[in-house]
Amino acid sequence: EIVLTQSPATLSLSPGERATLSCRASQSVSSYLAWYQQKSGQAPRLLIYDVSNRANGIPARFSGSGSGTDFTLTISSLEPEDFAVYYCQQRGNWPFTFGPGTKVDIK
Amino acid sequence: EVQLVESGGGLVQPGRSLRLSCTTSGFTFGDYAMSWVRQAPGKGLEWVSFIRSKRYGGTTEYAASVKGRFTISRDDSKSIAFLQMNSLKTEDTAVYYCTRDPYYGLGSNTVYYYGMDVWGQGTTVTVSS
Repeated sequence: EIVLTQSPATLSLSPGERATLSCRASQSVSSYLAWYQQKSGQAPRLLIYDVSNRANGIPARFSGSGSGTDFTLTISSLEPEDFAVYYCQQRGNWPFTFGPGTKVDIK
Repeated sequence: EVQLVESGGGLVQPGRSLRLSCTTSGFTFGDYAMSWVRQAPGKGLEWVSFIRSKRYGGTTEYAASVKGRFTISRDDSKSIAFLQMNSLKTEDTAVYYCTRDPYYGLGSNTVYYYGMDVWGQGTTVTVSS
C-alpha cells in the first residue's frame, strides 16, 4: 500500500496570503495524484486531478505541481472560503490511499 | 443536476450487518465507476471500495480493512450503488460517502480513473453495543 504524508498538518495564514501544501508518497505514483478540499460539515470536493488539472469550476488560484513522489498544492491568494482541510489521494495503485490532510486555518 | 444520495446508515451492534445505498440521478449511471469513502469522527478520509462499470467488467476493489466483510455492487437499471457491510466492528463507525469516478482512456482498452468528481452528502454508520 502506498502511504501518503502531508505537511504541514496545519497552516495558519491570513486572507490574501499564498498557501503551499505538500504531499509525499512512499513510492512513485507517476502523475496519478488528486487533491480534494473539505470544508467543515461538508462532503469533500475534487480540486485537482493528474497533479495539475483543475476540476470543473475550480478557480485558477488553485494549482498543483510535482511528479513521482513529491507534490504541491498552491493557493496563490487565499480567499475566505478557502479555509478548509485539503487531502491528497494517489490513484496509481490499489488501494487508492489518501493523505492525512492539511488544515488551512485563519491566522 | 448530478446528485448522489446515500441512505441506510444507522446504529448497529458489533457483528451485525448493514446495507448502504447510493441513489443517483442526472447522469448515465451505467457509464461510470463508483466508490465508497468513509470518514471516522474527527479523522481523515479513508477509501473503502470501488466498482467498475459493466463495460469494464463490473469488477471490484477493496481496502484491506474491509476486504472479506464488505461487498460493493450496483444496479444499473435503478442507478443505485450499494455497500453491504457484514461483521461490523466499532472501528467501522464513520460517515460513508458515495462518489462518482470518471475515467479516460489510456489505449489498449485500459482506462484510468482520475478522481472522485461528485460526492454525496454522506450517511452515518455507528457501530456500538
